[in-house]
Amino acid sequence: EVQLVESGGGLVKPGGSLRLSCAASGFTFSRYSMNWVRQAPGKGLEWVSSISSSGSYIYHADSVKGRFTISRDNAKDSLYLQMNSLRADDTAVYYCAREGSGEDFDYWGQGTLVSVSS
Amino acid sequence: QSVLTQPPSASGTPGQRVTISCSGTSSNVGINTINWYQQFPGRAPKLLISKDYQRPSGVPDRFSGSRSGTSASLSISGLRSEDEADYYCAAWYESLNGPVFGGGTKLTVL
Repeated sequence: EVQLVESGGGLVKPGGSLRLSCAASGFTFSRYSMNWVRQAPGKGLEWVSSISSSGSYIYHADSVKGRFTISRDNAKDSLYLQMNSLRADDTAVYYCAREGSGEDFDYWGQGTLVSVSS
Repeated sequence: QSVLTQPPSASGTPGQRVTISCSGTSSNVGINTINWYQQFPGRAPKLLISKDYQRPSGVPDRFSGSRSGTSASLSISGLRSEDEADYYCAAWYESLNGPVFGGGTKLTVL
């Protein structure tokens, strides 16, 4: 069974940093591109970042470019999101999601809440 | 403001057929396939329709999708109370190297 379990969320002050992790199991992690998608309270879904299976290709949404960095460790079946210079509008539930064959997200984690507030 | 446009709400009675639209541009919906996601309150999204019309394993055939030009639609036939959820469309956007999502449609079963 495919499982994605996020961790690392919490309350942080504006300008602070946080590192999210996503532990994958139930599939060959190194064969799939992975993504982070966020959802602000009461709002819709927003794609944040993606990383190819090998880690060679990385993309970030303009809203987080220069502040967030996606990475992965295929030996540990883990995905990460390093978030720096956090702002109030980064407050959201962050989901990790596996990228399927149709440029879709076929499996999602349960999400981890990041709150940015003074 | 979302790149893809969805009606904020839709409703129907049990047994009815409901259709949710998703419109974009020639840069996204016009050239790339559409995926649909279902999300219940407090839960993670779930892939409902892939590549315009394909249903992942386990998704009932009451759910169907289509795309034409720069618009796509999700149809739910034989509406059930358990279909009450938020529905999001998404399309790949080359200039982003990532997907764009619609704003979501809250479906209410009356």
